[in-house]
Amino acid sequence: QKEVEQNSGPLSVPEGAIASLNCTYSDRGSQSFFWYRQYSGKSPELIMSIYSNGDKEDGRFTAQLNKASQYVSLLIRDSQPSDSATYLCAVKGDDKIIFGKGTRLHILP
Amino acid sequence: DAGVIQSPRHEVTEMGQEVTLRCKPISGHDYLFWYRQTMMRGLELLIYFNNNVPIDDSGMPEDRFSAKMPNASFSTLKIQPSEPRDSAVYFCASSLQGSYGYTFGSGTRLTVV
Repeated sequence: QKEVEQNSGPLSVPEGAIASLNCTYSDRGSQSFFWYRQYSGKSPELIMSIYSNGDKEDGRFTAQLNKASQYVSLLIRDSQPSDSATYLCAVKGDDKIIFGKGTRLHILP
Repeated sequence: DAGVIQSPRHEVTEMGQEVTLRCKPISGHDYLFWYRQTMMRGLELLIYFNNNVPIDDSGMPEDRFSAKMPNASFSTLKIQPSEPRDSAVYFCASSLQGSYGYTFGSGTRLTVV
């Protein structure tokens, strides 16, 4: 059974600080990795994708991948109240994406 | 682009009734996925299609669930008969070539009473 594990949270971070979200996965053959943001009552929205080891930056977001450790992370710099949401880690091996259950992030004003 | 379109947005039905959820993927996308989301189990993949052909239905909970994709622009997920434990949000998502992240529809919130 391929699994994607995340801490459910909630993770509380002061406004303006760095939020760090983590994820581990079980399938060593996984090739593509994604972070989705889901606001309460809304659908998941893709915010970052990463395919090779290292860091990938997009604005205030940085995704980090370490395939040897089977570990993916998302850093959010200068956290804003609008970043309060559930963040889903997603991992793709063959044709399909498996999602973690998500980490609830709460940015404290 | 209108995105992935799902209908209805909300459905309340009585146990034992048939429920049909509908999805229109993004034009040109060749993969379509049906997911179910609950607090306990998170997002679960039920079934996915490539070029209208079902590829993997191992996530379909039981024979009460069925899905079809008669053409590239339409898919249905049917539950017959429905049970209270089927209550969840059902998402449809589509993707180009399956290699990239998915675009989700707004979801159908199903309540079976």
